[in-house]
Amino acid sequence: SAVISQKPSRDICQRGTSLTIQCQVDSQVTMMFWYRQQPGQSLTLIATANQGSEATYESGFVIDKFPISRPNLTFSTLTVSNMSPEDSSIYLCSVGEYFGPGTRLLVL
Amino acid sequence: AQSVTQLDSQVPVFEEAPVELRCNYSSSVSVYLFWYVQYPNQGLQLLLKYLSGSTLVKGINGFEAEFNKSQTSFHLRKPSVHISDTAEYFCAVQRGFSGGYNKLIFGAGTRLAVHP
Repeated sequence: SAVISQKPSRDICQRGTSLTIQCQVDSQVTMMFWYRQQPGQSLTLIATANQGSEATYESGFVIDKFPISRPNLTFSTLTVSNMSPEDSSIYLCSVGEYFGPGTRLLVL
Repeated sequence: AQSVTQLDSQVPVFEEAPVELRCNYSSSVSVYLFWYVQYPNQGLQLLLKYLSGSTLVKGINGFEAEFNKSQTSFHLRKPSVHISDTAEYFCAVQRGFSGGYNKLIFGAGTRLAVHP
């Protein structure tokens, strides 16, 4: 199993700014995953973060908008860049079937 | 590639009645299957999972699901629901992989509304 924590738990941001979300896992893992859950929607995979290599992005998501870092086997960050109200969502970090509590983002 | 279809977007049911939430998947390889619940304004909670072995899987809160390989289904059931079961339920599939973690593909979700 894996215990995952995320920071911040929620934030309210102004359009045009960026927010970096942190994800910490209590064990070393090769792959970490970032998901987005838009209001009233299901979870959509943004990207897979492998330690030591570039993240792999799903269709519709680009590195310039969602840059990801993976400096070691227990930590990853996701940045939501140049935010607009459409970016208001819950962002979740996961390791396979285990999910963090999510970061609730509201962009004004 | 894998995909998941949850056949009902909403399921209304009366308290103490049985319920079935339907999930079908598509995959050319072996898969693991999951059901999650999300209560209003809360995070995801794993209800149950099928990895291998017995096709009937029991989970938390009295839920169970049956894996049917021939019909590529993994329907979730509960014999008697409570008001507190009102939530969004997500079915998810993961490529079968031993010794590591892999990404999950989610269905669109089913909103279970339990009425008194």
